Amino acid sequence: VQLLESGGGLVQPGGSLRLSCTASGFTFSTFAMSWVRQAPGKGLEWISGIYSDGGGANYVDSVRGRFTISRDDLKNTVYLQMSSLRAEDTAVYFCAKGGKKFLDYWGQGALVTVSA
Amino acid sequence: DVAMTQAPHSLSVTPGQPASISCKSSQSLLYRDGMTRLYWYLQRPGQSPQLLIREVSNRFSGVSDRFSGSGSGTDFTLKISRVEAEDVGVYYCMQSVQFPITFGQGTRLEIK
Repeated sequence: VQLLESGGGLVQPGGSLRLSCTASGFTFSTFAMSWVRQAPGKGLEWISGIYSDGGGANYVDSVRGRFTISRDDLKNTVYLQMSSLRAEDTAVYFCAKGGKKFLDYWGQGALVTVSA
Repeated sequence: DVAMTQAPHSLSVTPGQPASISCKSSQSLLYRDGMTRLYWYLQRPGQSPQLLIREVSNRFSGVSDRFSGSGSGTDFTLKISRVEAEDVGVYYCMQSVQFPITFGQGTRLEIK
């Protein structure tokens, strides 16, 4: 299993950014996928999950309405569209396989820095 | 949200000695399917987290048998029978009985 995040970078407060996570080594379409973030020097925060077979998505309150998770099963890719970004969204964003029970494989992470 | 509280915040262990980390949840982690949704992760320095234990006590693929998990309801424990240098990092418990999925604040293990 491999998960490769991309799309991180520096963005101004109020701006937008889209993260991508391309998966390989498993049947992507049959698994939930999640995004978990880690602010500098802090712990882990699950922020969103998307389920297989049109099972919908979930968000933590702090990002609901600003972030949107989506997936393209033909491209084996999960996305996180982030808008109205705030300084407190600065973090490493990990893509992880799973989200209904446990997260069994994680990517190496993409750094998002929100700063003027 | 389900609050997860770990103790201690950090521990320093001599190689070959045991270590134990506690995790307490603010509500029962027993799911309606009869499984308890408690998981343990290790994040080594500079790396992404890796799954160690699933559903309280089941070691994930490739995880050393030095690691064991126990507990029920709201109280859980991760034990390392003989600490090795490669065990250094931050340990997190995680629950998925209810959304949002939540993690403990982490326990940092260092080698003496």
